[in-house]
Amino acid sequence: DQQVKQNSPSLSVQEGRISILNCDYTNSMFDYFLWYKKYPAEGPTFLISISSIKDKNEDGRFTVFLNKSAKHLSLHIVPSQPGDSAVYFCAAKGHGSSNTGKLIFGQGTTLQVKP
Amino acid sequence: NAGVTQTPKFRILKIGQSMTLQCAQDMNHNYMYWYRQDPGMGLKLIYYSVGAGITDKGEVPNGYNVSRSTTEDFPLRLELAAPSQTSVYFCASNTLAGAPRDEQYFGPGTRLTVT
Repeated sequence: DQQVKQNSPSLSVQEGRISILNCDYTNSMFDYFLWYKKYPAEGPTFLISISSIKDKNEDGRFTVFLNKSAKHLSLHIVPSQPGDSAVYFCAAKGHGSSNTGKLIFGQGTTLQVKP
Repeated sequence: NAGVTQTPKFRILKIGQSMTLQCAQDMNHNYMYWYRQDPGMGLKLIYYSVGAGITDKGEVPNGYNVSRSTTEDFPLRLELAAPSQTSVYFCASNTLAGAPRDEQYFGPGTRLTVT
């Protein structure tokens, strides 16, 4: 039972263009969503997050959009840079996890930004 | 701060052997987690701890044990290693300080092969 799904295993974009990474979830009790970035042979690092009371959060080149009715969120990277090439994980936290911090992760999307 | 550290980085085990994966954090975080990541999959929670002396099972706890005798350390024990435990293991910690970030900090991972 995959509660958080990233249906695109990989994405390739040209440097300077927009990268859009998608994530779907099934549990309507999720109230907080995070994106992590992972380089090979390293642990994931936090990128950006959004609370379910918002529909958009922006941090520099990174923007996360949340569509609660569709149970869908997306990460936009503009402009994309070669250094953004990594695996991106979507993660969600449910209301019941507010006192444990447990996260449910998607499968990840490998982004390749070509120079 | 060193953040979250994990040892060893790599290990090869024979079927039936046992080992302990070490995890330590120097950020005084109460919350710690162990994940495994299989190829093409997201991170699955094995065990977590909300403070010294308190641990609980995650999604995939079978074949593993944990202990949390101090705030800093959260070792993961594999008893009777099996090929299905071949994976990359990540330890993470969190303050659960609340919005707006509330992210987990990850270690660099331990790559374990069981043959």
